[in-house]
Amino acid sequence: AQSVSQHNHHVILSEAASLELGCNYSYGGTVNLFWYVQYPGQHLQLLLKYFSGDPLVKGIKGFEAEFIKSKFSFNLRKPSVQWSDTAEYFCAVNAGRRALTFGSGTRLQVQP
Amino acid sequence: GAGVSQSPSNKVTEKGKDVELRCDPISGHTALYWYRQRLGQGLEFLIYFQGNSAPDKSGLPSDRFSAERTGESVSTLTIQRTQQEDSAVYLCASSPLPEGFGGELFFGEGSRLTVL
Repeated sequence: AQSVSQHNHHVILSEAASLELGCNYSYGGTVNLFWYVQYPGQHLQLLLKYFSGDPLVKGIKGFEAEFIKSKFSFNLRKPSVQWSDTAEYFCAVNAGRRALTFGSGTRLQVQP
Repeated sequence: GAGVSQSPSNKVTEKGKDVELRCDPISGHTALYWYRQRLGQGLEFLIYFQGNSAPDKSGLPSDRFSAERTGESVSTLTIQRTQQEDSAVYLCASSPLPEGFGGELFFGEGSRLTVL
């Protein structure tokens, strides 16, 4: 069965710090990879996705993620975080025709 | 409406009662998902509907859980004889593409269920 691991459960950063959130998945075949974000009081929304092609994908608000097939990883990065990036971030994988599987989430707190 | 609509937004019930949660997907979206999110945990897949195909029920945790969807419209998730471990936020999402095609899921704001 496919699974997704997010290693950091709670991350606290100061504004302008760089961010990297880890995501690893377990599935050997072709995968679609996603990062979703949930801002306080809002619903989940798509941040970025990898479907095929360039393994470095760029999303909204300056976020990017790199798909490294050999490491089964899809880490999320942002060079300089802002207070408004405070949210919960979920990595998700869709393999074959199975429903999207989500990680347990990483809560990011950015201090001004 | 413009987004996925779920009701009720909050539901408090007593152990043993049945509850029904409703989801209105985005018009034209053929795929509809139900997920459950327990406190401090990730999203747990429950059930998936795609058009008029048989639903994927592989995520339903027990036979107390069931869901229906008529065509490409409203879906209801029913939990019978609720237990305290059913307390969670139940999220509905719809997508314009079938699963496996990399389509974005559009989520509702969820129904928070508390079983006393």
